[in-house]
Amino acid sequence: DQQVKQNSPSLSVQEGRISILNCDYTNSMFDYFLWYKKYPAEGPTFLISISSIKDKNEDGRFTVFLNKSAKHLSLHIVPSQPGDSAVYFCAPPPGRNEKLTFGTGTRLTIIP
Amino acid sequence: EAQVTQNPRYLITVTGKKLTVTCSQNMNHEYMSWYRQDPGLGLRQIYYSMNVEATDKGDVPEGYKVSRKEKRNFPLILESPSPNQTSLYFCASSLSRIAGTGDTQYFGPGTRLTVL
Repeated sequence: DQQVKQNSPSLSVQEGRISILNCDYTNSMFDYFLWYKKYPAEGPTFLISISSIKDKNEDGRFTVFLNKSAKHLSLHIVPSQPGDSAVYFCAPPPGRNEKLTFGTGTRLTIIP
Repeated sequence: EAQVTQNPRYLITVTGKKLTVTCSQNMNHEYMSWYRQDPGLGLRQIYYSMNVEATDKGDVPEGYKVSRKEKRNFPLILESPSPNQTSLYFCASSLSRIAGTGDTQYFGPGTRLTVL
């Protein structure tokens, strides 16, 4: 039972352009979401979050949009830089039994 | 420096030889968790712990054990490793898991385990 789905396993974007990473979820009761970024040979690091009472949260070049009616969130990176090349995971808050799940990740490659 | 440490970082072992991967955090976090990362499957939770002496199964607990005797340590034990446990393992911690806090997890650097 996958609570979040990232349907694009990989994405390549030209440097300077916009990168858009998508995540769909199933549970309308989720009250916040988080995005993590992971470089090879390192643990994931927190990138940005969004509360369900908002539809947008911006932090520098990173903006996360939440569409509750579509149960969809997206991470926008503008402008994309080579250092943004990484795997990005979306994650919901914990369930009733405190289990945590992550999406399968999207590998973003920024082409110089 | 606030961090989560894991040891060893790399391990090659043989089927059936018991092993332990240690995890330690210095942030006084209550919640700790173990994940494995496999190609195409993302991060899957193995076990988690809400606090000392409070552990519970994640999505893929089979073949693993954990213990939480001290707040800072959360070792992952493979009593009889098998090749399908070859994976990249991450330990993580966070302050609490109260829903709605927007709390984030801090991850260790990972342990790459190969079981022959």
